[in-house]
Amino acid sequence: QKEVEQDPGPLSVPEGAIVSLNCTYSNSAFQYFMWYRQYSRKGPELLMYTYSSGNKEDGRFTAQVDKSSKYISLFIRDSQPSDSATYLCAMSDWAAGNKLTFGGGTRVLVKP
Amino acid sequence: EAQVTQNPRYLITVTGKKLTVTCSQNMNHEYMSWYRQDPGLGLRQIYYSMNVEVTDKGDVPEGYKVSRKEKRNFPLILESPSPNQTSLYFCASSLLTKQGGDTEAFFGQGTRLTVV
Repeated sequence: QKEVEQDPGPLSVPEGAIVSLNCTYSNSAFQYFMWYRQYSRKGPELLMYTYSSGNKEDGRFTAQVDKSSKYISLFIRDSQPSDSATYLCAMSDWAAGNKLTFGGGTRVLVKP
Repeated sequence: EAQVTQNPRYLITVTGKKLTVTCSQNMNHEYMSWYRQDPGLGLRQIYYSMNVEVTDKGDVPEGYKVSRKEKRNFPLILESPSPNQTSLYFCASSLLTKQGGDTEAFFGQGTRLTVV
């Protein structure tokens, strides 16, 4: 079983819809939780970063972390075709250094 | 502009021919690492470095070498490439994490390697 599980999709939504993404994990030591966006043939770029549990909002993006359930989510409101990409969750434990453990990524397609 | 630069972006080589993929960052980050990305397996860490002359294995280090002689550079070396090393490779850099601190990792654009 992988340490971080993420549905590969693809997830297809109409423009303007809310995109809901999530990951589950098994390592209770994870304290840092990140969402990366990766466009085709590009490197991952950090979207959201959360330390420990709670919610964080940045523009159209909201990240949620529920450590008791080992479950993290990313919501994208008012989705745009430019949001079409692969979304990767990643997490780390500061005591183990900067190593990121990634989910496999969810491919999202926002149709105009 | 803050960036991580990898070269080359694309490389086709033959089995056994030594190659080096370069990585350079301009953010004075202590921590640098290499990942490979494969369909269905996601990104997996190959090697990492916490500072100059300090390197260690990640999850999939077999067949790879690294060196960190300067803070900004972290080359990935394949001494004898094999077809199972065909993959998309990413270099990343970040400040060294401390509890509650920033752990944002910046990634390069990737190197697509094909070994035939």
